[in-house]
Amino acid sequence: DTEVTQTPKHLVMGMTNKKSLKCEQHMGHRAMYWYKQKAKKPPELMFVYSYEKLSINESVPSRFSPECPNSSLLNLHLHALQPEDSALYLCASSQEGGWTTNEKLFFGSGTQLSVL
Amino acid sequence: DAKTTQPPSMDCAEGRAANLPCNHSTISGNEYVYWYRQIHSQGPQYIIHGLKNNETNEMASLIITEDRKSSTLILPHATLRDTAVYYCIALLAGGTSYGKLTFGQGTILTVHP
Repeated sequence: DTEVTQTPKHLVMGMTNKKSLKCEQHMGHRAMYWYKQKAKKPPELMFVYSYEKLSINESVPSRFSPECPNSSLLNLHLHALQPEDSALYLCASSQEGGWTTNEKLFFGSGTQLSVL
Repeated sequence: DAKTTQPPSMDCAEGRAANLPCNHSTISGNEYVYWYRQIHSQGPQYIIHGLKNNETNEMASLIITEDRKSSTLILPHATLRDTAVYYCIALLAGGTSYGKLTFGQGTILTVHP
């Protein structure tokens, strides 16, 4: 199984809603990532978890709250989002907690989020 | 990580080789060159990576110049399914880089019938 599964595929939420994005992998990978991709732009890194601990937060606003309950699961909790947060949210995983010379990222297909 | 420069778009005829260039003139000695692609409505997909030597796998070949200032990704027999945005990324291996892939604008490759 070389898949990273993201749910839901599409999400529409209001600015006062609380919602969560879910990501799951069963490849035994120890690092997991959240990327954000606006339309017609490249993906941008948001968070990195390594061995279930938050290793990198790219100065993401607190209305985005990541959580890594175990090595296979990664959540992104959303609260009080703005319309400009509408984007494709991509989850990825890689084998090692650090970055070795043969590391590669496996991406899910993303959750397309619309904030009204 | 070194900055990379790619042409914004390229066309290729189906069945022909697609050669995608990437300039990384400021790359350091321990930065790898990675290639990913993103097909419409999907997440990015790893293609290949290398440090100094040319590399080949089942998807593509990577040719890195001797001075490492540029590289070329080669898709030997392009198909319509290879139409995608191709990203060339320079990334420091090891340590705490944690796979911080910094995607540039990439090259939109369109394969025509």
